[in-house]
Amino acid sequence: DAKTTQPPSMDCAEGRAANLPCNHSTISGNEYVYWYRQIHSQGPQYIIHGLKNNETNEMASLIITEDRKSSTLILPHATLRDTAVYYCIAKSGNNAGNMLTFGGGTRLMVKP
Amino acid sequence: NAGVMQNPRHLVRRRGQEARLRCSPMKGHSHVYWYRQLPEEGLKFMVYLQKENIIDESGMPKERFSAEFPKEGPSILRIQQVVRGDSAAYFCASSPPNQGSEQFFGPGTRLTVL
Repeated sequence: DAKTTQPPSMDCAEGRAANLPCNHSTISGNEYVYWYRQIHSQGPQYIIHGLKNNETNEMASLIITEDRKSSTLILPHATLRDTAVYYCIAKSGNNAGNMLTFGGGTRLMVKP
Repeated sequence: NAGVMQNPRHLVRRRGQEARLRCSPMKGHSHVYWYRQLPEEGLKFMVYLQKENIIDESGMPKERFSAEFPKEGPSILRIQQVVRGDSAAYFCASSPPNQGSEQFFGPGTRLTVL
């Protein structure tokens, strides 16, 4: 699976949009971009994933550049409960059975 | 539909004892994964199992660690003769077959070795 690079930390004001970048310049054609987050000491939580089209769900939006070398996770109205470590993961295929390779992630601090 | 369940949530063992960690996947999920998170580090994959089969154990330490997912009952991660370096949070995840690949994580078991 391709290596991903994320800033180690970011701050965001409560109520504002949080935009978390991820670089995956070596991603291959069959690799999806997944986002998970881990709120302090809890199990990771799935957020969203995509291949090449932008995706949106009730939690977030995922914007993938046309060349697929980078992506941005957008939390449209960050709350204090969104404070967490956010992991961007490139994973082959869209089938069950492939392990997740977690990097260092981005520690997002939402401030009042 | 209950989520992934893990027990115990906290486990304290002395060096040399055995630790058994249990994971009950979500209903209908037949794929189970175990990950380990050392203090202040990211999660590392350990093993992937389906019912009665170990599919990928490339992340498992070669000695003292074993995992199973029997036909009936929870998946078990077993650590024999624990050492202080085994102290970590152990997370289990499950996913359904052929329905997308999101993995759903349990709350974890925090193992402390004295």
